Amino acid sequence: QVQLQESGPGLVKSSETLSLTCTVSGGSISTYYWSWIRQSPGKGLQWIGYHYYNGNTKYNPSLESRVTISVDTSKNQVSLQLTSVTAADTAVYYCARDREHTYGKAQGFWGQGTLVTVSS
Amino acid sequence: EIVLTQSPATLSLSPGERATLSCRASQSVSTYLAWYQQKPGQAPRLLISDASNRATGIPARFSGSGSGTDFTLTISSLEPEDFAVYYCQQGSDWLTFGGGTKVDIK
Repeated sequence: QVQLQESGPGLVKSSETLSLTCTVSGGSISTYYWSWIRQSPGKGLQWIGYHYYNGNTKYNPSLESRVTISVDTSKNQVSLQLTSVTAADTAVYYCARDREHTYGKAQGFWGQGTLVTVSS
Repeated sequence: EIVLTQSPATLSLSPGERATLSCRASQSVSTYLAWYQQKPGQAPRLLISDASNRATGIPARFSGSGSGTDFTLTISSLEPEDFAVYYCQQGSDWLTFGGGTKVDIK
């Protein structure tokens, strides 16, 4: 059974870059879509973007200018970088993998999430 | 942006009752619609993909229907573990989520 584990700093200063890593175990990174999704405290879910193993990426237009999602197949890791963060970027960040045959459109596996707080 | 509107915001029911949750899209998403369940402190769990395709390990009491702009998640008989928040999500364009429906105990 595939498992996802997010890691990274829990506190980031305003205007700096948020960097998170998702380590995948129990399965390969290849042939799947890997998404980052966030949830602000007490609020709903926002998709940040996805990376397909062949290098294709797609991002939420509202975040596209600040986001990079990449994959390291040698380490079985998916990474997220979000630049120029503000307090509005404070959220629980989830790594997710799509369900088979949904082409990134439904997330069948999720990490436990990691809380990132942006401080001034 | 495709906006998903979920109703009602809160549904108060008793165990054993039937729950009917609605999700309406601002434009057609075909059948690219998923449903998730989220409990406090946990990640969302996929219940349904492609509007009506139950995910692996999801009990048969959960069913999804609809296409185009109107979708429904039905829980035929609520179990104690089903009281949670439910989100719909579309995959027709870049992914967006609805605001959620909280199913709580009456």
